[in-house]
Amino acid sequence: KAGVTQTPRYLIKTRGQQVTLSCSPISGHRSVSWYQQTPGQGLQFLFEYFSETQRNKGNFPGRFSGRQFSNSRSEMNVSTLELGDSALYLCASTRPGQKYNEQFFGPGTRLTVL
Amino acid sequence: GNSVTQMEGPVTLSEEAFLTINCTYTATGYPSLFWYVQYPGEGLQLLLKATKADDKGSNKGFEATYRKETTSFHLEKGSVQVSDSAVYFCALSEGNSGNTPLVFGKGTRLSVIA
Repeated sequence: KAGVTQTPRYLIKTRGQQVTLSCSPISGHRSVSWYQQTPGQGLQFLFEYFSETQRNKGNFPGRFSGRQFSNSRSEMNVSTLELGDSALYLCASTRPGQKYNEQFFGPGTRLTVL
Repeated sequence: GNSVTQMEGPVTLSEEAFLTINCTYTATGYPSLFWYVQYPGEGLQLLLKATKADDKGSNKGFEATYRKETTSFHLEKGSVQVSDSAVYFCALSEGNSGNTPLVFGKGTRLSVIA
Protein backbone atom coordinates (compact mmCIF):
# COMPACT_ATOMS: atom_id res chain seq x y z
CA LYS A 1 0.00 0.00 0.00
CA ALA A 2 1.40 3.38 -0.95
CA GLY A 3 2.31 5.74 1.88
CA VAL A 4 1.36 9.34 2.41
CA THR A 5 2.57 11.46 -0.49
CA GLN A 6 3.21 15.18 -0.50
CA THR A 7 3.84 17.50 -3.40
CA PRO A 8 5.93 19.38 -4.13
CA ARG A 9 8.87 18.20 -2.04
CA TYR A 10 10.68 21.53 -2.24
CA LEU A 11 9.42 25.04 -2.84
CA ILE A 12 11.02 28.46 -2.90
CA LYS A 13 8.85 31.55 -2.64
CA THR A 14 9.34 35.21 -1.85
CA ARG A 15 7.74 37.26 0.88
CA GLY A 16 4.18 38.28 0.18
CA GLN A 17 3.45 35.41 -2.18
CA GLN A 18 1.03 32.63 -1.45
CA VAL A 19 1.61 28.88 -1.66
CA THR A 20 -0.46 25.71 -1.85
CA LEU A 21 0.82 22.34 -0.66
CA SER A 22 -0.82 19.03 -1.41
CA CYS A 23 -1.14 15.80 0.53
CA SER A 24 -2.55 12.43 -0.51
CA PRO A 25 -3.25 10.13 2.45
CA ILE A 26 -2.87 6.38 2.52
CA SER A 27 -5.73 4.73 0.65
CA GLY A 28 -8.69 4.32 2.99
CA HIS A 29 -7.49 6.90 5.50
CA ARG A 30 -9.97 9.71 5.97
CA SER A 31 -8.26 11.94 8.53
CA VAL A 32 -5.44 14.24 7.44
CA SER A 33 -3.39 16.40 9.80
CA TRP A 34 -0.83 19.06 8.99
CA TYR A 35 2.22 20.01 11.07
CA GLN A 36 4.88 22.68 10.73
CA GLN A 37 8.43 21.73 11.69
CA THR A 38 11.06 24.40 12.37
CA PRO A 39 14.38 24.23 14.22
CA GLY A 40 13.21 26.78 16.77
CA GLN A 41 9.64 25.71 17.48
CA GLY A 42 9.86 22.02 16.66
CA LEU A 43 6.72 20.27 15.45
CA GLN A 44 3.54 22.25 15.78
CA PHE A 45 0.02 21.18 14.85
CA LEU A 46 -1.70 23.27 12.19
CA PHE A 47 -5.06 21.61 11.57
CA GLU A 48 -6.83 18.32 10.98
CA TYR A 49 -9.48 17.43 8.42
CA PHE A 50 -11.92 14.56 8.46
CA SER A 51 -14.59 13.95 5.84
CA GLU A 52 -13.95 17.36 4.27
CA THR A 53 -14.47 19.19 7.58
CA GLN A 54 -11.88 20.85 9.77
CA ARG A 55 -12.08 18.96 13.04
CA ASN A 56 -9.17 20.48 14.98
CA LYS A 57 -7.13 23.63 14.62
CA GLY A 58 -3.83 24.70 16.10
CA ASN A 59 -2.71 28.15 17.11
CA PHE A 60 -1.68 29.63 13.77
CA PRO A 61 -2.79 32.88 12.14
CA GLY A 62 -5.56 32.97 9.57
CA ARG A 63 -2.99 33.14 6.76
CA PHE A 64 -2.78 29.37 7.17
CA SER A 65 -5.77 27.53 5.79
CA GLY A 66 -6.61 24.13 4.45
CA ARG A 67 -9.24 22.00 2.88
CA GLN A 68 -10.01 18.39 2.16
CA PHE A 69 -11.60 16.88 -0.90
CA SER A 70 -14.08 14.05 -1.19
CA ASN A 71 -11.25 11.62 -2.02
CA SER A 72 -9.55 12.61 1.29
CA ARG A 73 -6.72 14.45 -0.44
CA SER A 74 -5.90 17.65 1.38
CA GLU A 75 -4.32 20.98 0.55
CA MET A 76 -2.97 23.68 2.77
CA ASN A 77 -2.53 27.25 1.72
CA VAL A 78 -0.38 29.98 3.19
CA SER A 79 -1.08 33.51 2.03
CA THR A 80 1.14 36.58 2.33
CA LEU A 81 4.22 34.54 3.09
CA GLU A 82 6.64 35.73 5.76
CA LEU A 83 10.27 34.73 6.27
CA GLY A 84 9.26 32.85 9.41
CA ASP A 85 7.04 30.54 7.37
CA SER A 86 10.14 28.76 6.09
CA ALA A 87 9.74 25.25 7.43
CA LEU A 88 9.15 21.62 6.68
CA TYR A 89 5.40 21.03 6.37
CA LEU A 90 4.37 17.51 7.24
CA CYS A 91 1.11 15.81 6.48
CA ALA A 92 -0.14 12.73 8.33
CA SER A 93 -3.10 10.42 7.90
CA THR A 94 -4.94 8.15 10.30
CA ARG A 95 -6.85 4.91 9.79
CA PRO A 96 -10.62 5.15 10.21
CA GLY A 97 -12.09 3.89 13.45
CA GLN A 98 -8.74 3.91 15.21
CA LYS A 99 -9.02 4.49 18.91
CA TYR A 100 -5.54 5.92 19.41
CA ASN A 101 -4.09 8.65 17.27
CA GLU A 102 -1.42 6.67 15.45
CA GLN A 103 -0.49 8.87 12.52
CA PHE A 104 1.37 7.99 9.33
CA PHE A 105 3.52 10.80 8.01
CA GLY A 106 4.55 11.84 4.54
CA PRO A 107 8.07 13.00 3.62
CA GLY A 108 7.13 16.66 3.90
CA THR A 109 7.34 19.75 1.75
CA ARG A 110 10.28 22.01 2.49
CA LEU A 111 9.23 25.62 1.98
CA THR A 112 11.84 28.34 1.80
CA VAL A 113 10.67 31.95 1.88
CA LEU A 114 13.18 34.52 0.62
CA GLY B 1 -1.99 22.48 28.44
CA ASN B 2 -0.35 19.24 27.42
CA SER B 3 3.39 19.19 26.88
CA VAL B 4 6.30 16.83 26.30
CA THR B 5 9.86 17.39 27.47
CA GLN B 6 12.77 15.45 26.02
CA MET B 7 16.42 15.44 26.92
CA GLU B 8 18.35 17.80 24.72
CA GLY B 9 20.80 16.42 22.25
CA PRO B 10 22.76 15.79 20.34
CA VAL B 11 23.59 12.39 21.73
CA THR B 12 26.67 10.70 20.31
CA LEU B 13 27.30 7.03 21.03
CA SER B 14 29.62 4.34 19.80
CA GLU B 15 28.15 1.35 18.03
CA GLU B 16 26.78 -1.30 20.46
CA ALA B 17 26.43 1.23 23.29
CA PHE B 18 23.29 1.43 25.44
CA LEU B 19 20.85 4.20 24.60
CA THR B 20 18.44 6.07 26.84
CA ILE B 21 16.51 9.13 25.72
CA ASN B 22 14.45 10.64 28.51
CA CYS B 23 10.90 11.83 27.95
CA THR B 24 8.45 13.23 30.48
CA TYR B 25 5.00 14.59 29.83
CA THR B 26 2.29 16.78 31.29
CA ALA B 27 -1.30 15.92 30.48
CA THR B 28 -4.68 16.56 32.04
CA GLY B 29 -6.06 13.12 31.27
CA TYR B 30 -4.77 9.74 30.20
CA PRO B 31 -2.76 10.21 27.03
CA SER B 32 -1.41 7.72 24.56
CA LEU B 33 2.35 7.98 24.20
CA PHE B 34 4.47 7.57 21.10
CA TRP B 35 8.05 7.62 19.91
CA TYR B 36 8.61 8.73 16.32
CA VAL B 37 11.89 8.65 14.41
CA GLN B 38 12.96 10.96 11.58
CA TYR B 39 15.80 9.91 9.32
CA PRO B 40 17.63 12.59 7.29
CA GLY B 41 15.47 14.02 4.53
CA GLU B 42 12.43 12.00 5.49
CA GLY B 43 9.16 12.40 7.35
CA LEU B 44 8.38 10.86 10.72
CA GLN B 45 7.95 7.14 11.23
CA LEU B 46 6.18 5.65 14.21
CA LEU B 47 8.70 3.68 16.22
CA LEU B 48 6.54 2.44 19.08
CA LYS B 49 3.53 3.34 21.18
CA ALA B 50 1.84 2.67 24.53
CA THR B 51 -1.75 3.49 25.27
CA LYS B 52 -2.12 2.89 29.01
CA ALA B 53 -0.10 2.85 32.18
CA ASP B 54 2.55 0.10 32.48
CA ASP B 55 2.25 -0.75 28.77
CA LYS B 56 5.60 -1.43 27.12
CA GLY B 57 5.99 -0.49 23.49
CA SER B 58 8.74 -2.19 21.52
CA ASN B 59 10.04 -2.28 17.97
CA LYS B 60 13.40 -2.88 16.24
CA GLY B 61 15.12 -3.40 19.60
CA PHE B 62 13.80 -0.16 21.05
CA GLU B 63 11.58 -0.18 24.13
CA ALA B 64 9.68 2.34 26.23
CA THR B 65 7.41 1.82 29.24
CA TYR B 66 4.48 4.10 30.07
CA ARG B 67 5.11 5.17 33.68
CA LYS B 68 2.11 7.07 34.98
CA GLU B 69 3.58 7.59 38.47
CA THR B 70 6.59 9.44 37.04
CA THR B 71 4.81 10.72 33.88
CA SER B 72 7.64 9.31 31.81
CA PHE B 73 8.15 7.33 28.62
CA HIS B 74 11.91 6.90 28.27
CA LEU B 75 13.26 5.29 25.11
CA GLU B 76 15.91 2.57 25.46
CA LYS B 77 17.92 0.29 23.24
CA GLY B 78 20.50 -2.17 24.43
CA SER B 79 22.90 -1.97 21.50
CA VAL B 80 22.70 0.85 18.97
CA GLN B 81 23.82 0.63 15.37
CA VAL B 82 25.06 3.27 12.95
CA SER B 83 21.74 2.93 11.12
CA ASP B 84 19.93 4.20 14.27
CA SER B 85 21.35 7.67 13.68
CA ALA B 86 18.29 9.91 13.40
CA VAL B 87 16.16 12.39 15.33
CA TYR B 88 13.79 10.87 17.88
CA PHE B 89 10.56 12.54 18.96
CA CYS B 90 8.44 11.71 21.96
CA ALA B 91 4.77 12.59 21.54
CA LEU B 92 1.43 12.31 23.26
CA SER B 93 -2.17 12.30 22.19
CA GLU B 94 -4.79 13.11 24.78
CA GLY B 95 -7.72 10.82 25.33
CA ASN B 96 -8.88 7.82 23.35
CA SER B 97 -11.07 9.28 20.66
CA GLY B 98 -8.41 8.90 18.01
CA ASN B 99 -8.65 12.44 16.74
CA THR B 100 -6.77 14.63 19.18
CA PRO B 101 -3.62 16.22 17.76
CA LEU B 102 -0.19 14.91 18.59
CA VAL B 103 1.92 17.07 20.92
CA PHE B 104 5.62 16.57 20.28
CA GLY B 105 8.79 17.08 22.23
CA LYS B 106 11.61 19.08 20.62
CA GLY B 107 13.39 15.98 19.39
CA THR B 108 16.73 14.41 20.27
CA ARG B 109 19.35 13.92 17.59
CA LEU B 110 21.26 10.65 17.93
CA SER B 111 24.55 10.03 16.13
CA VAL B 112 26.06 6.56 16.32
CA ILE B 113 29.68 6.21 15.25
CA ALA B 114 31.36 2.98 14.17
